[in-house]
Amino acid sequence: DVYLVESGGGLVQPGGSLRLSCAASGFMFSDYEMNWVRQAPGKGLEWISYITGSGSIIYYADSVEGRFSISRDNAKDSLFLQMSSLRAEDTAVYYCVRNGGATTGHFDYWGQGTLVTVSS
Amino acid sequence: DVVLTQSPLSLPVTLGQPASISCRSSQGLVNSNGDTYLNWFQQRPGQSPRRLIYKVSKRDAGVPDRFSGSGSGTDFTLKISRVEAEDVGVYYCMQGTHWITFGQGTRLEIK
Repeated sequence: DVYLVESGGGLVQPGGSLRLSCAASGFMFSDYEMNWVRQAPGKGLEWISYITGSGSIIYYADSVEGRFSISRDNAKDSLFLQMSSLRAEDTAVYYCVRNGGATTGHFDYWGQGTLVTVSS
Repeated sequence: DVVLTQSPLSLPVTLGQPASISCRSSQGLVNSNGDTYLNWFQQRPGQSPRRLIYKVSKRDAGVPDRFSGSGSGTDFTLKISRVEAEDVGVYYCMQGTHWITFGQGTRLEIK
């Protein structure tokens, strides 16, 4: 079975930094593109970042470009999101999400999420 | 950016009755390879989203066959043939043809 387990969320002050991790298991991690998707309290879903299996291609949503950095360690089956210059509007549950590949398409497996709260 | 507009935003349904959610795109969603990357997700209260349907009409493993997806071009629909109590939650469409965008979500509740 595929598992994605996020960690690293918590309370941080505006302007601060936080690093989220996602531990993957049950599949060949390096073969799959990965994403971070967030959901503000009571709101909808927002894609924020993407990385290819090798880590060679990365994209960000405009809302986090220049402040967030996605990376992965294929030897440790792990995905990361380094967040800096955090704002109140970054408060959300952050999900680690797998792309299923050309056959099964985007976002086939989601983690349980980790809550990030930006507040003084 | 591609905008996905879902309707209705709130959907009260009697148990055992059918339900239908529309998702309209501001642009056509057929990719250069001929695929249409339109997915549907279910988010039950307090849970992570779960994908139900991918590429318009393909049901994910373990998804009950009362869920079906259809549509083409810019108009897509998720149908539930007979609503059950466990179907309560918010449903999102998502397109992956022109990068990634989500619809606003439709909240399904039992009447």
